[in-house]
Amino acid sequence: EAGVTQFPSHSVIEKGQTVTLRCDPISGHDNLYWYRRVMGKEIKFLLHFVKESKQDESGMPNNRFLAERTGGTYSTLKVQPAELEDSGVYFCASSQEGFGGEEMILAKNIQYFGAGTRLSVL
Amino acid sequence: AQSVTQPDIHITVSEGASLELRCNYSYGATPYLFWYVQSPGQGLQLLLKYFSGDTLVQGIKGFEAEFKRSQSSFNLRKPSVHWSDAAEYFCAVGKPSNFGNEKLTFGTGTRLTIIP
Repeated sequence: EAGVTQFPSHSVIEKGQTVTLRCDPISGHDNLYWYRRVMGKEIKFLLHFVKESKQDESGMPNNRFLAERTGGTYSTLKVQPAELEDSGVYFCASSQEGFGGEEMILAKNIQYFGAGTRLSVL
Repeated sequence: AQSVTQPDIHITVSEGASLELRCNYSYGATPYLFWYVQSPGQGLQLLLKYFSGDTLVQGIKGFEAEFKRSQSSFNLRKPSVHWSDAAEYFCAVGKPSNFGNEKLTFGTGTRLTIIP
């Protein structure tokens, strides 16, 4: 079974340009999360999708960031226009959804992460 | 608001030596607790997790962690490190949920260097 995959692995752009990051979650995972790690800092939550709906976008830094998840499968995170402070590693994670017994409930609380996209804004 | 502290930014240990990475959290109740590892060029891999029950949990690659409620800690240990353990380690907490869709709060990470 394929894990969470992210594209590209590294992107170098100039300030003011637009970049789109993509995340393909594990097949069948309804929950999809975006996180970001700015150099030397902690990994911070950006937003959370349940299928195609935004469940929580409280971590999105500003309106230059737009996340979508059309059809409830893969997700994109667009930064437009990019600023220097947007540099960092963007991680995507996914987890299961659905209801069931205790084992299923616990399994749903496990997030599986991709390798991340390193964004460098010059 | 919940928070996680990993007080050691960088740790260097000799191959074969024991290891303990510290993690303290702030949360109103008992959270779900996780340790993830990121090896060079790799994604975040789950090492182990604590939901409830036995406070000593075993993970992959010979790692274990102990939840201590009185100290709000979840320290990661390994009795004998291998050169392949060189990586960055992240402690994270999550809010217990029957829906399983709560965001994680991470610490700043501890970079582990192994010397021969």
